[in-house]
Amino acid sequence: AQSVTQPDIHITVSEGASLELRCNYSYGATPYLFWYVQSPGQGLQLLLKYFSGDTLVQGIKGFEAEFKRSQSSFNLRKPSVHWSDAAEYFCAVEAVDYKLSFGAGTTVTVRA
Amino acid sequence: DAGVIQSPRHEVTEMGQEVTLRCKPISGHDYLFWYRQTMMRGLELLIYFNNNVPIDDSGMPEDRFSAKMPNASFSTLKIQPSEPRDSAVYFCASSTDRNTGELFFGEGSRLTVL
Repeated sequence: AQSVTQPDIHITVSEGASLELRCNYSYGATPYLFWYVQSPGQGLQLLLKYFSGDTLVQGIKGFEAEFKRSQSSFNLRKPSVHWSDAAEYFCAVEAVDYKLSFGAGTTVTVRA
Repeated sequence: DAGVIQSPRHEVTEMGQEVTLRCKPISGHDYLFWYRQTMMRGLELLIYFNNNVPIDDSGMPEDRFSAKMPNASFSTLKIQPSEPRDSAVYFCASSTDRNTGELFFGEGSRLTVL
């Protein structure tokens, strides 16, 4: 069965600094991969997705992610973090039965 | 455009009571999902519908949980009787395309069972 691991439970980053969130997946076939963001008290919002093709995908809010098959990873990055990026971030993988399996999430705190 | 609308946003009830959570998906979306979020278990898919028909309810934890979708614009998740371990945030999400993986989530219903 497919699964997703987010090794970092909590990351603190200074405003203006770069951010990288790690995601490792376990899936036998070519995965469909996603990053979602959840602001406090809100539902999840899709940041970006990878299905095939270019391994570097661009998303909303200035985020990008890189798919590395050899490392079974799909890490999320942002060059310069804004205070509004403080949220919880979820990596997810989709199997053929359309079930999304979410990671445990990484909480990002942005300090001034 | 209105997003996915859930009600109530907050519900506090006593153990043994019936709880009904409601969801209105985005118009035109033919997939509807119910998720549960807890600190211990994270996000879990409970059930999903396609064109109002339940497709996979393998995530429904017990017979105390039931979900219906009587029409394209309304779904309910019912817990009867409720227990303290059901305390969680329940999310409804909808989608227009099986293969995009882009789910549109509501703001959730936070359930506390005392």
